[in-house]
Amino acid sequence: QKEVEQDPGPLSVPEGAIVSLNCTYSNSAFQYFMWYRQYSRKGPELLMYTYSSGNKEDGRFTAQVDKSSKYISLFIRDSQPSDSATYLCAAIKAAGNKLTFGGGTRVLVKP
Amino acid sequence: DARVTQTPRHKVTEMGQEVTMRCQPILGHNTVFWYRQTMMQGLELLAYFRNRAPLDDSGMPKDRFSAEMPDATLATLKIQPSEPRDSAVYFCASGPDRGRNYEQYFGPGTRLTVT
Repeated sequence: QKEVEQDPGPLSVPEGAIVSLNCTYSNSAFQYFMWYRQYSRKGPELLMYTYSSGNKEDGRFTAQVDKSSKYISLFIRDSQPSDSATYLCAAIKAAGNKLTFGGGTRVLVKP
Repeated sequence: DARVTQTPRHKVTEMGQEVTMRCQPILGHNTVFWYRQTMMQGLELLAYFRNRAPLDDSGMPKDRFSAEMPDATLATLKIQPSEPRDSAVYFCASGPDRGRNYEQYFGPGTRLTVT
């Protein structure tokens, strides 16, 4: 079993809808949680990170972490066709060097 | 516009040949990571450098893979001999290492096909 699990999708939503993505993890030592966005044939780009439990908002994006249930979420409000991409969650220990990635969820926002 | 660059972007080679992939990290970044991405395994860390010194290469098959940083502006990943199972996209990432190893900036990747 992988340390970070993610539903591969694809997740298809109409433009303007809320996109809800989530991951689960198994390693209690993880302290930082990230969401990366990867467009087709491009490298991943860091969208947001969250330290420990809590919420973080950045424009249309909200990241949530619930350490008690080992659950990571990303919400995209007012989704746009340009949000169509693969979204990867990742986690790292507090003093760690190694990012552990989920497998990614492919999202398609239809005009 | 600071970004990680990787060359070549695409490489097709025959089994048994040597493959060298190059990465130029963002100027001022002192941590460099090599990842491999496949459909089956997702994104896997192969090696990690800080200040040009290799700190972790546990994800790399030692018998055929090697990673080096000849200087602060160049990181290399070599496969010798290459095998069809090495076909994947190889990403280099760099980070500022201000105690924030989650802050990694990825290059565009090298798409390797070994026939």
